[in-house]
Amino acid sequence: DTAVSQTPKYLVTQMGNDKSIKCEQNLGHDTMYWYKQDSKKFLKIMFSYNNKELIINETVPNRFSPKSPDKAHLNLHINSLELGDSAVYFCASSPRAVAGGRNEQFFGPGTRLTVL
Amino acid sequence: AQTVTQSQPEMSVQEAETVTLSCTYDTSENNYYLFWYKQPPSRQMILVIRQEAYKQQNATENRFSVNFQKAAKSFSLKISDSQLGDTAMYFCAFESKVDNDMRFGAGTRLTVKP
Repeated sequence: DTAVSQTPKYLVTQMGNDKSIKCEQNLGHDTMYWYKQDSKKFLKIMFSYNNKELIINETVPNRFSPKSPDKAHLNLHINSLELGDSAVYFCASSPRAVAGGRNEQFFGPGTRLTVL
Repeated sequence: AQTVTQSQPEMSVQEAETVTLSCTYDTSENNYYLFWYKQPPSRQMILVIRQEAYKQQNATENRFSVNFQKAAKSFSLKISDSQLGDTAMYFCAFESKVDNDMRFGAGTRLTVKP
């Protein structure tokens, strides 16, 4: 069984479009995250939700909006896509809210977004 | 599918001492990349070190070095002269050169004690 899944795995779209990436975890975890990985493999945290409540919101353009319909899902919606949004987006989940950066995280397989 | 295992959920080390974090992975590929990421309490991920599988020489970045054992599929991270600022979660990751698929371990929490 897949612990953390993301759909789609690949997403190719035109500039200006609006798209969503979905993430689901079946681990019963309370906390979920979105990370963006650039071409140099640097990984940047974007958002974190704990039990459907936003707890981390790093400096991310407000074209990015996370939505957590329940604690097993954290979707990422991106409006007016730009070339610079091309990246791999990873979802992750952990058993409880990160405190002092201590908790293990389980990562999804990533979604490779290409904006043309 | 590739899997990455970090068997030590938590570790601690005294300041100035050396600590080694373990990582093993499973793959049928011959060439790939391996990474160690650090996530301090600030939560931003930092890329600590990377290794290309076809390179036999172990990667080194200042106090951080790896022990890459390809046959054993082991990729441990050694931190020398540990500093308080090294306290963080450390994640090991594997990237396929075939499809750029990336897999992460669940992390090891390292605490450096004064």
